Amino acid sequence: AQSVTQLGSHVSVSEGALVLLRCNYSSSVPPYLFWYVQYPNQGLQLLLKYTSAATLVKGINGFEAEFKKSETSFHLTKPSAHMSDAAEYFCAVSDQNTDKLIFGTGTRLQVFP
Amino acid sequence: NAGVTQTPKFRILKIGQSMTLQCTQDMNHNYMYWYRQDPGMGLKLIYYSVGAGITDKGEVPNGYNVSRSTTEDFPLRLELAAPSQTSVYFCASSHSYEQFFGPGTRLTVL
Repeated sequence: AQSVTQLGSHVSVSEGALVLLRCNYSSSVPPYLFWYVQYPNQGLQLLLKYTSAATLVKGINGFEAEFKKSETSFHLTKPSAHMSDAAEYFCAVSDQNTDKLIFGTGTRLQVFP
Repeated sequence: NAGVTQTPKFRILKIGQSMTLQCTQDMNHNYMYWYRQDPGMGLKLIYYSVGAGITDKGEVPNGYNVSRSTTEDFPLRLELAAPSQTSVYFCASSHSYEQFFGPGTRLTVL
């Protein structure tokens, strides 16, 4: 069975600081991994995805994530936080045989001026 | 190209009432999904469909039903609303492992 664990339900950073949101996965088969962002009162939007090509994946809005098989991790980073990055972020995993996603419980990012 | 649309945006139901949440996509995607989102719980899959006429249960299907008569539409039916079904409901469709989400329906059952 696949699962995703997001460490930290809330993360706070200052504007201009590094953003690091953690995601660890469990999967018995090679996973596909995703980060989605949800702004208040909106649906989820894909930030980036790993589908077994390059292990460092670049997404929208300056975010990137690195797939580390040895650590079963797919942490999301951004070098410099912007106020507009304040949102909830979800990590998700699927396998190569289905489009179904298993979501983590989410991390709410707050950005302070 | 509207993507995934959901109606209504908000709804308040009394216990025992029924309703249908509508979902339509115009991207010709075969895969469609219904999720519910509760605070601190992430998204849980209720039902999904791999094409017209084919549906299957997800993680939390009890109390819900779906149908998929066309590629575009994937309505979710609540037959006897219960307070435990108070949640935000998201419909999604997918292509090449990317899911596209609708704006959600906020449902309160009192």
